[in-house]
Order: sequence, then C-alpha cells, then structure tokens
Amino acid sequence: DAGVIQSPRHEVTEMGQEVTLRCKPISGHDYLFWYRQTMMRGLELLIYFNNNVPIDDSGMPEDRFSAKMPNASFSTLKIQPSEPRDSAVYFCASSNSGSSYEQYFGPGTRLTVT
Amino acid sequence: EDQVTQSPEALRLQEGESSSLNCSYTVSGLRGLFWYRQDPGKGPEFLFTLYSAGEEKEKERLKATLTKKESFLHITAPKPEDSATYLCAVRPAGGYQKVTFGTGTKLQVIP
Repeated sequence: DAGVIQSPRHEVTEMGQEVTLRCKPISGHDYLFWYRQTMMRGLELLIYFNNNVPIDDSGMPEDRFSAKMPNASFSTLKIQPSEPRDSAVYFCASSNSGSSYEQYFGPGTRLTVT
Repeated sequence: EDQVTQSPEALRLQEGESSSLNCSYTVSGLRGLFWYRQDPGKGPEFLFTLYSAGEEKEKERLKATLTKKESFLHITAPKPEDSATYLCAVRPAGGYQKVTFGTGTKLQVIP
C-alpha cells in the first residue's frame, strides 16, 4: 500500500499569495494530522481530523490558516495570505484507531515565502 | 500541559560506540510513548510504541525502554546508516489522538 502522499513537495511563493497544500492519507486510516516543522519550534500539530471531521484546531496559528477534509482520501491546508514566517516544512500524517495509534507521515511540503 | 524534553540535542559517535538517547516527559496519564526516526528531507518514520513502565522494544541495533518519567533509546554498535534525528512523542490519556513531540536528538555516526 502506498504511504501518505503530499503535494507539492516544494512550494516557493511571494508574501500575500494563497498557498494550498494537499494530502492523501493511507487508505483505511481514520485520523489525519497536519504538522509544521521548523528548526526553532520543532514539530507542531496544527489540526487533526477523525472520519473527516476536525477535532482539534487549537494549533492553527491564526485565521490565515484553514484546513479541510472533504472525503476520507483527501485533505488540504490553505494559507491565505502567506507571510515569510510561514516558511517551514508541512507534514501530513495518518493513523488508524484500530491499531496502536502510531502515525505515519508523508514526505512533507517545504514552503518558502519570500 | 504535556511536555517532552530530549537530550542531548546532538550526539556524535564513532561506528561501534554504543550510547543512549533520553526522552523525559510530563503527561497527564500516558497512553503511549512513540519513537520516530527522521532522515534529512523526509518525514518521521515510526520505530516503536511503549505503553507502560518496564516495557522494552527492540529493532536491529535499537532498543527502547520506558520508566514512569523517561524513555531511553539505546543504540548498540551503531553504523553510519543509523545517522538521523530521533524524535520522541507522548500521547496522553483521555481518548484523544493528539501527541506532543520533543525536538529530537540529531545522531551522527562516524565511520
């Protein structure tokens, strides 16, 4: 089975532009997580979904960030407008509540906002 | 608030030189402690889950152990391919899937 798929792998954009990151979780997994990783703050949970429903979005830094999961096989993280401080690597992960709760991560999207 | 502290931040070992990485945690009821390996430019890769004090898990040259306050990742006779950042994460009680990650230990094994 394919792992978690993320696109794009790299994104370079100018301040003020809209950015959309995409994720396809592992088939059969019912939890999906969005993380941000920086050198300064490490890996931070932004939001997570259970059965396509957002459960905890307390990690979303501000209203410029939004996430959706329209179906079990697709999720998006949108930043509008983007700012240079949003530059980071964004990871999507999924897990299965029927297993031991370990999360499986995608390869990440490296976002650079100039 | 759940907290995870990993030490050291960086570790440089000669090939074959065994050592341990530490993960200290504060959590309201531990439902699981996870170890991940992260290679540069890649997402974290799951290694182990530990649930209760005294539990141990092994995989090749790695062994993870758990006490009530900390976990250790022991690396026996490491090889250069073990070079990576090792992340620790905890899942609290309460039926939620949210985990808190430490900032990791960057391990470099020199041939």
